[in-house]
Amino acid sequence: NAGVTQTPKFQVLKTGQSMTLQCAQDMNHEYMSWYRQDPGMGLRLIHYSVGAGITDQGEVPNGYNVSRSTTEDFPLRLLSAAPSQTSVYFCASSRDRGGNGYTFGSGTRLTVV
Amino acid sequence: QKEVEQDPGPLSVPEGAIVSLNCTYSNSAFQYFMWYRQYSRKGPELLMYTYSSGNKEDGRFTAQVDKSSKYISLFIRDSQPSDSATYLCAMVEGSSNTGKLIFGQGTTLQVKP
Repeated sequence: NAGVTQTPKFQVLKTGQSMTLQCAQDMNHEYMSWYRQDPGMGLRLIHYSVGAGITDQGEVPNGYNVSRSTTEDFPLRLLSAAPSQTSVYFCASSRDRGGNGYTFGSGTRLTVV
Repeated sequence: QKEVEQDPGPLSVPEGAIVSLNCTYSNSAFQYFMWYRQYSRKGPELLMYTYSSGNKEDGRFTAQVDKSSKYISLFIRDSQPSDSATYLCAMVEGSSNTGKLIFGQGTTLQVKP
């Protein structure tokens, strides 16, 4: 049972490049989310999903796209990377809408130069 | 004003001290409350989950919720150097069907031997 797996762990991008952060969970969780963590800001919600085929925007969605074609996978796409997107990105999944049992991945450290 | 406010610290205490971590919130729709612990360069891990006013105890940890004052606390008894981490409070709206977690900024705790 791997839990929530994020790849890559580290990435350096040039401004304007695009990339996809991968997130996969093997717990058959319906709820999945992407957060970014910046110093002094806590975790801010980028996008979330309540099941395959259903996604919505969170607090800071600009510059990011998501899709959820399967229950297991929830990739986050950076369309045109900007230095302001330098951050640590966490994917999380949960079995219920009350937030109980949210499991986080180990994070992707992204630097945009 | 952020929906969830948390003193970022840092907080430094001697080993064996009682630690009190606090969050206030403005959204009365929040009904589910969580405390996460995050070690350096790791993903957050769930420490405590509660959905009712009052206290919930788990070993050296006690979570307290006061919905009338919109205030939650986490107490750590007999603190250990291994408790040194960032502690994040998180909340979910009761009426929500999205499972969206809203986080405080996180409090960095150092327990000195």
